[in-house]
Amino acid sequence: QKEVEQDPGPLSVPEGAIVSLNCTYSNSAFQYFMWYRQYSRKGPELLMYTYSSGNKEDGRFTAQVDKSSKYISLFIRDSQPSDSATYLCALSRTGGGNKLTFGTGTQLKVEL
Amino acid sequence: KAGVTQTPRYLIKTRGQQVTLSCSPISGHRSVSWYQQTPGQGLQFLFEYFSETQRNKGNFPGRFSGRQFSNSRSEMNVSTLELGDSALYLCASSMGAGGLYNEQFFGPGTRLTVL
Repeated sequence: QKEVEQDPGPLSVPEGAIVSLNCTYSNSAFQYFMWYRQYSRKGPELLMYTYSSGNKEDGRFTAQVDKSSKYISLFIRDSQPSDSATYLCALSRTGGGNKLTFGTGTQLKVEL
Repeated sequence: KAGVTQTPRYLIKTRGQQVTLSCSPISGHRSVSWYQQTPGQGLQFLFEYFSETQRNKGNFPGRFSGRQFSNSRSEMNVSTLELGDSALYLCASSMGAGGLYNEQFFGPGTRLTVL
């Protein structure tokens, strides 16, 4: 079993929809949670960084962490075609330095 | 502020050769981590350097090695290339050695093709 599970999709939604992307993890040592967006043939771009249970909002993006359930989510409001990309969750441990453990990524397509 | 730069962007090699990839972190960042991205395995951690010291190493064979220089620039080397080494190699830069408030920023990657 992988340490971090993420549905690979693809996920297709109409423009303006609310998108929900999720990851589950098995190791409670993970304490820092990130979401990256990766466009085709580009490097991952950091969208959100959180470390505590609860919600963190940044523009159209909301990151949610539930440490008791080992479940993290990224919500995208008013989705746009430019949001079409692969979304990766990444987790790191306390004392684990900068090593990130990634989910497989969810491919999102926002259609006009 | 300039982002993370990686050179070269594309590379084609043949089996058995060796290759060196370079990463320049964001100015002021002292940590560089390397990742391999393939369609089958996703993003996998290779190693991490902080202030010229390797702090973490992933589960890759000894053919994969790296180093960091005093100006924080880093190189990774792959010797005796195999077909399975074809991948996008990404480096990530961060200010500190991990923990709270230590975001990591990725470069555009080097796409290595082994023939």
